[in-house]
Amino acid sequence: AQSVTQLDSQVPVFEEAPVELRCNYSSSVSVYLFWYVQYPNQGLQLLLKYLSGSTLVKGINGFEAEFNKSQTSFHLRKPSVHISDTAEYFCAVSTPGSSNTGKLIFGQGTTLQVKP
Amino acid sequence: KAGVTQTPRYLIKTRGQQVTLSCSPISGHRSVSWYQQTPGQGLQFLFEYFSETQRNKGNFPGRFSGRQFSNSRSEMNVSTLELGDSALYLCASSSQEGDTQYFGPGTRLTVL
Repeated sequence: AQSVTQLDSQVPVFEEAPVELRCNYSSSVSVYLFWYVQYPNQGLQLLLKYLSGSTLVKGINGFEAEFNKSQTSFHLRKPSVHISDTAEYFCAVSTPGSSNTGKLIFGQGTTLQVKP
Repeated sequence: KAGVTQTPRYLIKTRGQQVTLSCSPISGHRSVSWYQQTPGQGLQFLFEYFSETQRNKGNFPGRFSGRQFSNSRSEMNVSTLELGDSALYLCASSSQEGDTQYFGPGTRLTVL
């Protein structure tokens, strides 16, 4: 079975500072990896995804993530955060071609709190 | 293209009632997945439909059911509501299996 662990439930950071949100996954088969962001009272917005190819993935709003197969990690980074980045961030995996079709497995989420 | 839409956005029901939620996917998308989001359990997969067929189901009781129509619109139904069913219900659509899922704004269900 697959699982996703987001290592920090809350990450406080000052505006314009860099940030890293950590995500580790467990799977015996190949996975697709995603980061989503959720603002209050809204649905999930896709930030970026790793399907194959280059392990460094760039997404929207200046975010990027690096897939590390040996460490089974997919950490999200941004070099300089803004107040508007305050939100909850979810890491998710899917296992294409398996019996888990159409199913995303999510981590518990990380609340990013950007302080002025 | 218009995004995923969900109706209604907010719903208040009492225990024992049933409820139907609706989801319209992005035009051309044939797969619709449903998720329940609660503070305690996080985001949990309910089921996935593709071309009117349920292909996958999560670990939820039979009170939770769904269907998909020929235009790919999907509905989920919860019968005999319990207080614990209070949650944000999210649907997501994708063009094909394994592809990226795009989420709607959700339906906030409150059971009193």
